[in-house]
Amino acid sequence: DTGVSQNPRHKITKRGQNVTFRCDPISEHNRLYWYRQTLGQGPEFLTYFQNEAQLEKSRLLSDRFSAERPKGSFSTLEIQRTEQGDSAMYLCASSHRDSFTGELFFGEGSRLTVL
Amino acid sequence: GDSVTQMEGPVTLSEEAFLTINCTYTATGYPSLFWYVQYPGEGLQLLLKATKADDKGSNKGFEATYRKETTSFHLEKGSVQVSDSAVYFCALSDLTGNQFYFGTGTSLTVIP
Repeated sequence: DTGVSQNPRHKITKRGQNVTFRCDPISEHNRLYWYRQTLGQGPEFLTYFQNEAQLEKSRLLSDRFSAERPKGSFSTLEIQRTEQGDSAMYLCASSHRDSFTGELFFGEGSRLTVL
Repeated sequence: GDSVTQMEGPVTLSEEAFLTINCTYTATGYPSLFWYVQYPGEGLQLLLKATKADDKGSNKGFEATYRKETTSFHLEKGSVQVSDSAVYFCALSDLTGNQFYFGTGTSLTVIP
């Protein structure tokens, strides 16, 4: 069990560029979550998947944000036409629905800086 | 909607002092309640949880009791150590268990 892995750990980009973050959950976990965390705030829910199905996406911040989990394993979060307000830490977490103990396993996050 | 409000920090304590971090919640029904901790340079990890009223979660000397009457889940530790320095997040999961709501976090620094 290598834990939840996120890449890249830090991304610096210019306003208007597209960025993509990848999350590899714990292998037997079928639920995967994306959160955003800004300085001094707690994680803010964005979306989640059960296997490859995206079951909740209404919290995605705008239509510039999209997420996929094509084969029910890793997931990507893409932000198009980045804005300075998108600068934040993007967190991925996973859990296993069938043995859900209320524990989310978090990655270390991907920090986005938009110049 | 569901939400969590926790005590603002930062909190600075001397080693062996008593710790309380307050957390109150607003939710429909009976959510599950959690404390997560984030040590410097690491991801969030579960510290303790309680799934129904009057349950007490405990781990690593930390405790929190699910109080339905006061809608609270305060975190306590009798004697903090330098290694407890971290950011602590109170959280709840909704009735479906599909969404978690986090507080803003409380930064704790313990000095020797």
